[in-house]
Parts: sequence; structure tokens; C-alpha cells
Amino acid sequence: DAKTTQPNSMESNEEEPVHLPCNHSTISGTDYIHWYRQLPSQGPEYVIHGLTSNVNNRMASLAIAEDRKSSTLILHRATLRDAAVYYCIRLDSWGKLQFGAGTQVVVTP
Amino acid sequence: DTGVSQDPRHKITKRGQNVTFRCDPISEHNRLYWYRQTLGQGPEFLTYFQNEAQLEKSRLLSDRFSAERPKGSFSTLEIQRTEQGDSAMYLCASSLGATDREGYTFGSGTRLTVV
Repeated sequence: DAKTTQPNSMESNEEEPVHLPCNHSTISGTDYIHWYRQLPSQGPEYVIHGLTSNVNNRMASLAIAEDRKSSTLILHRATLRDAAVYYCIRLDSWGKLQFGAGTQVVVTP
Repeated sequence: DTGVSQDPRHKITKRGQNVTFRCDPISEHNRLYWYRQTLGQGPEFLTYFQNEAQLEKSRLLSDRFSAERPKGSFSTLEIQRTEQGDSAMYLCASSLGATDREGYTFGSGTRLTVV
């Protein structure tokens, strides 16, 4: 039970921002929100994670709703190399990632 | 450190044979995880270790599967009497702790084909 809900797929044009939504309405106060992505024929790659505050790193930004029931991963300028499956995961204190089906991001030149 | 290494990258075996995969985590990472992924699906949790102790096994993991992590370093995953349904990508990951500030690092996986 992944306990998060994501759209199956999203399309974007190259060099435009991509906003990937995730719903985690049953999240508990101590669960982290993690995002990973998986390129074809590779293992998942860590993107970003957060607890309550918005987070930025070199790959992306994570915007977390005030009630923590949803979050949005933001890729500021999509490139063709960003085409991948993106997974939003709740991580509890036991620290075991449980993946859902993720969102397939398609980037069009 | 070059990250998480998995060996072999590909394995083709006949049904009924035993296979063993190896995972070398990032050296300072205490936790090690095994996942299985079939085509079009997200990775499915199998088991994980905190140092040498195996803390959890998925209920989906049959008795034909066994994993070890001697001395809390590398880990092996063995599948006995393989079946065609075992064909999948087997992924290993490691982390410093339960909620690692740097996230979990995955290997490139071992693709198993049972014929």
C-alpha cells in the first residue's frame, strides 16, 4: 500500500516547468515525503525529500501543502533527460520506501 | 566510493535452478534493502537489513528466497528452485539510516530471466 496518489502520466515541452502533484491525505505528522525518479533500465534515483517546509536542491523544488496532505514536485526547466517515472513516497520512521506506480513524465522537444 | 554495486547485471537461468545475487552498498551505510521490479510496475519491497540484522521480510517473499548480510557489509539474495514468475529486475539500495538526509542510493539492478 503506497498510500500516495499520483497521475499516471504528464507531458511537458522542453525548457518549460513541470509540476507533478501527489496526494497523501492520510500522512502522519512524522512521515517524510520523498521523491525518486527512474530512468529506463536504471535503478531509482533520489530527487528530494521534505517534512513540512518547502525544499530546494539542484534537481528540483518540493512544495508541501500547509496541511501536508499533498505536495508538488517542481522541475523548473524540463530537459529531455528528465523523461522518467517519478515516484512520490511517504517514508515513516521505520524507513522503508514503498513505491506506487508513479507518474510517467514525457518531455517533448 | 562509486555507489551501490550489484552483480551480475544480467542472469539467465533455467527453471528449477538456484541463483544468487550480490549487492555491495555504500561503505558507511547501515541499512540495505532489496526490491523486485517487473515491467511497468514500481519497485516492490522484499526485505531490509540494519547492519547484519534482517529486520523485515515482505509477506510476498516466498520460502524460496533468502537474503544475508554477513558482517553488515555486502548482501546476497538467493532464489532457490527458480520459477518463470521470478523473472524481474532485482534492485538493491542502501542508506545511512531510516530517514537519511541524503536519500536512499539504488544500484542498477540485476535482471533475472528464467527460461
